[in-house]
Amino acid sequence: EIVLTQSPATLSLSPGDRATLSCRASQSVSSSLAWYQQKPGQAPRLLIYDASNRATGIPARFSGSGSGTDFTLTISSLEPEDFAVYYCQQGSNWPSPTFGQGTKVDIK
Amino acid sequence: QLQLQESGPGLVKPSETLSLTCTVSGDSIITSSYYWGWIRQPPGKGLEWIGSVYFRGSTYYNPSLKSRVTLSVDTSKNQFSLELSSVTAADTAVYYCARQNIYDSRGYETPYYFDYWGQGTLVTVSS
Repeated sequence: EIVLTQSPATLSLSPGDRATLSCRASQSVSSSLAWYQQKPGQAPRLLIYDASNRATGIPARFSGSGSGTDFTLTISSLEPEDFAVYYCQQGSNWPSPTFGQGTKVDIK
Repeated sequence: QLQLQESGPGLVKPSETLSLTCTVSGDSIITSSYYWGWIRQPPGKGLEWIGSVYFRGSTYYNPSLKSRVTLSVDTSKNQFSLELSSVTAADTAVYYCARQNIYDSRGYETPYYFDYWGQGTLVTVSS
């Protein structure tokens, strides 16, 4: 099983700050990595797929980068609605897709 | 606009079988581009993929749950279903159904990410 480790566990920032979230895979997943945002009581929402492609309707302040084992989700300037939990997910070894444990972005 | 809606009992007794159905509206479940999947999330914890099904009936399961999971599809009702047997308290979770892309942005068969999700339904295992 490919293990995804997200860091930090919690990121405390202010609106307008830049957020940088990390996801590291236990072995290479090429570019088969997605990012999701989840707010309390809601289903996850797809933000990024294939490491760097924004999903439909996702604002340009969200960007993804990386390949192999190290990936980054960047939110260029945090809006109030961006405070949430973010998960990465890999799909390199179908049928065993796995998720990271999540990074919570909260208000400082 | 594609919508998915989970339905089923919110309370299941230990050792019994959990059964949920996902109804898809806004598009047909008969598509060569997508699988239809189930993901769960225990309270306060992360996400776990349970399995996925293709409209023709092919199924793919999380190895850790494979012995207890059965997925099926009913194209006439535009629905797909989950059965999880011999449940314990550890199976208490919010269960989500979701649409899973089969092909990545380069056109390669790399199913993994989910682009549309249901709202989720909490299933509690308790006597």
